[in-house]
Amino acid sequence: DGGITQSPKYLFRKEGQNVTLSCEQNLNHDAMYWYRQDPGQGLRLIYYSQIVNDFQKGDIAEGYSVSREKKESFPLTVTSAQKNPTAFYLCASTWGYNSPLHFGNGTRLTVT
Amino acid sequence: KQEVTQIPAALSVPEGENLVLNCSFTDSAIYNLQWFRQDPGKGLTSLLLIQSSQREQTSGRLNASLDKSSGRSTLYIAASQPGDSATYLCAVRPDTGRRALTFGSGTRLQVQP
Repeated sequence: DGGITQSPKYLFRKEGQNVTLSCEQNLNHDAMYWYRQDPGQGLRLIYYSQIVNDFQKGDIAEGYSVSREKKESFPLTVTSAQKNPTAFYLCASTWGYNSPLHFGNGTRLTVT
Repeated sequence: KQEVTQIPAALSVPEGENLVLNCSFTDSAIYNLQWFRQDPGKGLTSLLLIQSSQREQTSGRLNASLDKSSGRSTLYIAASQPGDSATYLCAVRPDTGRRALTFGSGTRLQVQP
């Protein structure tokens, strides 16, 4: 069954620690995206990648980093430089501009 | 900078009603527009995608329309059911530059049985 897998579903970290969120897709999509969702708000773009070994900053990239070494994988690292990291993080992918965006089920990160 | 607004933020209707959700965007230079559904604590599921050259798209009880020149889209849900209860988000993709989607903050729909 094709789809996007995000793990873990819930993640708890202490302030000052880096944490990496996993995103894996078996849809053979070229483009992958990371969004952040805060309560009552729309999704905000963190990073995106159109092709392997290439990625671009979104609107709120500060304090985050990504890599795209494989087509199917796009991990997101939340660093200690991110001032307000507690949020719901969503990974997405698509064939291209004409195609719908597919989402994983998200990772809820809590930093205390 | 593109801004996407969804009104109302929340809506409660009795089962069986037809309803309309609204989405407006400030920059009409869009490539396409998508409507999504999000259940609590879950990711988004794509419902309909309308290309900029299209006026509407239909899927089952859902119909989405697009008026690009006025910066508006509507999602029409016919004969609403309790299972339609969810948050509905619209998103637009620009036709130039960075082609990532810009999302509205959603309309939370509750269909009462």
